[in-house]
Amino acid sequence: EAQVTQNPRYLITVTGKKLTVTCSQNMNHEYMSWYRQDPGLGLRQIYYSMNVEVTDKGDVPEGYKVSRKEKRNFPLILESPSPNQTSLYFCASRSPGGNSNQPQHFGDGTRLSIL
Amino acid sequence: KQEVTQIPAALSVPEGENLVLNCSFTDSAIYNLQWFRQDPGKGLTSLLLIQSSQREQTSGRLNASLDKSSGRSTLYIAASQPGDSATYLCAVRPIQGAQKLVFGQGTRLTINP
Repeated sequence: EAQVTQNPRYLITVTGKKLTVTCSQNMNHEYMSWYRQDPGLGLRQIYYSMNVEVTDKGDVPEGYKVSRKEKRNFPLILESPSPNQTSLYFCASRSPGGNSNQPQHFGDGTRLSIL
Repeated sequence: KQEVTQIPAALSVPEGENLVLNCSFTDSAIYNLQWFRQDPGKGLTSLLLIQSSQREQTSGRLNASLDKSSGRSTLYIAASQPGDSATYLCAVRPIQGAQKLVFGQGTRLTINP
């Protein structure tokens, strides 16, 4: 089954403790992206990747890092999480990259609470 | 800057009714428009994708239309069922800054048995 898998689904942690949210897709998609969803603000893009070793900032990249060492994986790293990063996070993928008109597929989301 | 608006923010209708959800966007320079469904605490499920050159797409009881020149899309749900209760999001992929989707705030739909 074609899917985007995020882990963990839920995480409660404390300020400053580094964490990684993993994202994996099994569709051989070149393009992957991270969004966060907040009440009243909707979904906003954090980072995206057009292919392996190619990443770029979205609209709200501050406080986040990403890497794309393999095509199927696109982890989101919070080096020093802060309470304002409490949010619902979504990973998405699309094939092929560039100016593709294919739909984006989303994972089930990761709910992060930073205390 | 592309902005997407969905009105109403919430809608409650009795089961069996046909209904229309609205989405408007400010810049007609888009590659496509995608409608999603989001259940509470869950991810986004893609419902329909309309390319900029298309006028509508259908899937089962769902029909989405696109009028790019006026910056509008509608999602028509026929014979609504309680299982259709969810938040419906529309998103456009702009030609400028094409590597992201711009989302509306969503319409929270409740179908009453």
